[in-house]
Amino acid sequence: KQEVTQIPAALSVPEGENLVLNCSFTDSAIYNLQWFRQDPGKGLTSLLLIQSSQREQTSGRLNASLDKSSGRSTLYIAASQPGDSATYLCAATGGGNKLTFGTGTQLKVEL
Amino acid sequence: DAGVIQSPRHEVTEMGQEVTLRCKPISGHDYLFWYRQTMMRGLELLIYFNNNVPIDDSGMPEDRFSAKMPNASFSTLKIQPSEPRDSAVYFCASSLSQDRVRNEQFFGPGTRLTVL
Repeated sequence: KQEVTQIPAALSVPEGENLVLNCSFTDSAIYNLQWFRQDPGKGLTSLLLIQSSQREQTSGRLNASLDKSSGRSTLYIAASQPGDSATYLCAATGGGNKLTFGTGTQLKVEL
Repeated sequence: DAGVIQSPRHEVTEMGQEVTLRCKPISGHDYLFWYRQTMMRGLELLIYFNNNVPIDDSGMPEDRFSAKMPNASFSTLKIQPSEPRDSAVYFCASSLSQDRVRNEQFFGPGTRLTVL
């Protein structure tokens, strides 16, 4: 059974800092790895999807990497802003098209 | 496109009552997923459909839960009878997947259910 873990559970940084969120998964037989953002009381917004054959994906200030062999993915946020404050979730797509979610990292970017 | 639409956005009911949650997937998407999110267990997949057919319902917690997809544009998740431990946010998501590797799921805003 796939298990997805995210570290840290919470993170507080000053505006402008670069930061890294970590995601690890136990079963490397995944089809892709997705990163989502969730604002309080809201749904999930897809940020980046890395296919199993890819090593990284970039969108604006966000860069996500994938290392299937070690079961790890990272989300790098450059020049953080208060508007980046949210919970970030990673999810691995495995057999049966199922997404297994991590427990999330709650990010707060302070002025 | 309006995205995935869920209704109601909030539901408060009393223990023992029947609850029906509704979802309209993105037009043209052939996969539909129901998730539940709680503080204790995070996001869990309950059931998913492909072309209106239930494929995997192993995440449905018990017989009190049932889901249907009568057509490509509508799905329901029903809880009967409801219990306080069913209180959670229920999300619906859809995807268009001809290639499993590119299966990106799009989520609705969720229904926050409170069972008193």
